[in-house]
Amino acid sequence: QKEVEQNSGPLSVPEGAIASLNCTYSDRGSQSFFWYRQYSGKSPELIMSIYSNGDKEDGRFTAQLNKASQYVSLLIRDSQPSDSATYLCAVNMRYSSASKIIFGSGTRLSIRP
Amino acid sequence: GAVVSQHPSWVICKSGTSVKIECRSLDFQATTMFWYRQFPKQSLMLMATSNEGSKATYEQGVEKDKFLINHASLTLSTLTVTSAHPEDSSFYICSANIIWSTDTQYFGPGTRLTVL
Repeated sequence: QKEVEQNSGPLSVPEGAIASLNCTYSDRGSQSFFWYRQYSGKSPELIMSIYSNGDKEDGRFTAQLNKASQYVSLLIRDSQPSDSATYLCAVNMRYSSASKIIFGSGTRLSIRP
Repeated sequence: GAVVSQHPSWVICKSGTSVKIECRSLDFQATTMFWYRQFPKQSLMLMATSNEGSKATYEQGVEKDKFLINHASLTLSTLTVTSAHPEDSSFYICSANIIWSTDTQYFGPGTRLTVL
């Protein structure tokens, strides 16, 4: 079982609509969750971090966390063509010696004009 | 804030040569830096965790004698790809945690390595 799972996409959303990106993780004890955006040929850029159950909003972005279901999502409102990118979900997971951030394989999002 | 730089941004080298990539935290101190590799259309693969003043911790399957990591100060970590071969061609990205802070990682812009 993959530790952090995402649908690879591509997810196609019309401009102005809400894009919904989902992620599940395997470590029930994880406490830190992140969403990164990566444009083609570029390095990841932090969008949001979330640590508590519920919603966290920042501009057009809302992260949602449900630890009981081991599920974290990212909503992008009023989608713009510039939002077209790969979105990486990352989870801080515990191992015997330390904890480390594990990245999902990413969901490719395409916003069509 | 939380800016991480990498140098060079791209490099082309001949097979058998060594290449050094620098990762610097510009406006913060980082006790821990991470080195990732990303092949086209694939996700990030953690190669090693670099701790200031101590030996790096390598992930399973990553050759520590081929990928030398030095973390000499709280703002600088280097990755040296020794005796590079075409299969080492990839996008190498570093990231850093702010000292004594959260586990949020801030990424450098990456270095694209092409080995001929």
